[in-house]
Amino acid sequence: GNSVTQMEGPVTLSEEAFLTINCTYTATGYPSLFWYVQYPGEGLQLLLKATKADDKGSNKGFEATYRKETTSFHLEKGSVQVSDSAVYFCALTPNRDDKIIFGKGTRLHILP
Amino acid sequence: DARVTQTPRHKVTEMGQEVTMRCQPILGHNTVFWYRQTMMQGLELLAYFRNRAPLDDSGMPKDRFSAEMPDATLATLKIQPSEPRDSAVYFCATSRTSFSEQFFGPGTRLTVL
Repeated sequence: GNSVTQMEGPVTLSEEAFLTINCTYTATGYPSLFWYVQYPGEGLQLLLKATKADDKGSNKGFEATYRKETTSFHLEKGSVQVSDSAVYFCALTPNRDDKIIFGKGTRLHILP
Repeated sequence: DARVTQTPRHKVTEMGQEVTMRCQPILGHNTVFWYRQTMMQGLELLAYFRNRAPLDDSGMPKDRFSAEMPDATLATLKIQPSEPRDSAVYFCATSRTSFSEQFFGPGTRLTVL
């Protein structure tokens, strides 16, 4: 079946630290991959996406590369800010399917 | 700035009461999803619609939950009767087409006493 596994949180970092949140997936076919972010008290919003192998999605200083050989889509940012504190969800849509399959989310705390 | 709207934002009710949550999709979005989020279970897909037709409601307890789209501008999620274990944040999300980005509403925080 299709599934997403991401590292458990919470992850606590100091401001300006380097961030990696690991995400691996299991899917049939050729899924599209996503990172969504949920700020406190809000719904999820798309952070970045990649639709085929070796694509790199990027937004707001965050990046993730679609690695088919390792079935991974790790989220990275070179220098985090306090405002990046949120819950991050890795997700995929299997080929020809409307539903997004979400990971369990990783809570990120950035300390000033 | 097109957004998904949800009402009410907060709802406190007593066990056994009916609860109705409403969602207004972004104009032109033909796919609507209902999710439930709790600390214990995380984000769960309850049901989704395409062009107002229900496609999958396997995540929903059928004996007490129902989801409908009376028209293209309104989706509803009803719980009757409500139970304390239904306490959660319920999100509506919509997308333009298959495979495209989902836009989430701000959620309805439900507390059943």
